Amino acid sequence: KAGVTQTPRYLIKTRGQQVTLSCSPISGHRSVSWYQQTPGQGLQFLFEYFSETQRNKGNFPGRFSGRQFSNSRSEMNVSTLELGDSALYLCASRREQGAGGNTIYFGEGSWLTVV
Amino acid sequence: AQSVTQLDSHVSVSEGTPVLLRCNYSSSYSPSLFWYVQHPNKGLQLLLKYTSAATLVKGINGFEAEFKKSETSFHLTKPSAHMSDAAEYFCVVSEPGTASKLTFGTGTRLQVTL
Repeated sequence: KAGVTQTPRYLIKTRGQQVTLSCSPISGHRSVSWYQQTPGQGLQFLFEYFSETQRNKGNFPGRFSGRQFSNSRSEMNVSTLELGDSALYLCASRREQGAGGNTIYFGEGSWLTVV
Repeated sequence: AQSVTQLDSHVSVSEGTPVLLRCNYSSSYSPSLFWYVQHPNKGLQLLLKYTSAATLVKGINGFEAEFKKSETSFHLTKPSAHMSDAAEYFCVVSEPGTASKLTFGTGTRLQVTL
């Protein structure tokens, strides 16, 4: 069974640009959440999507947005990139129902460098 | 608000000796607690989780943790460290109704020496 898949794995962007990161959850998982990991702030929750609707949101500016498609795949977008957005962005999925439904599985992340 | 405090940012042990990584939590509700491990340039792997069943939780790779409500602690232990255990370990909490909104500790880097 394939795990959580994130693309691209590595990317470099320039300040002011925008970026879109993609996440394919484990088959059958309906909840997808996103986290940002930086050396200074650690791991922080960005948002969660379930059934194409944002269900929870962390304390990030509106430049950070996301969406979920009908097949549960998710994308997150960061507009007007700043140097401080350089981070590892982790996607996680959860089945939601049934035994072990609350166990969260993480992908390997997308490394974003803003120059 | 929920939070976790990892008491050591760095722990160094010799191979074959016990591992103890300390975590205290704060939560207004009955929390779910987790330990995740992150190897260099990798994502997060779940080691174990506590969700109000048995207070002693066994995880993968010989790790276990004990939930102590009176001490608000959830320390991670392993009887004998292996070189492959060297990684960053995160204590994590979530509250009922927000199962995907995890709050992470600052992490403990475990170094294993020969």
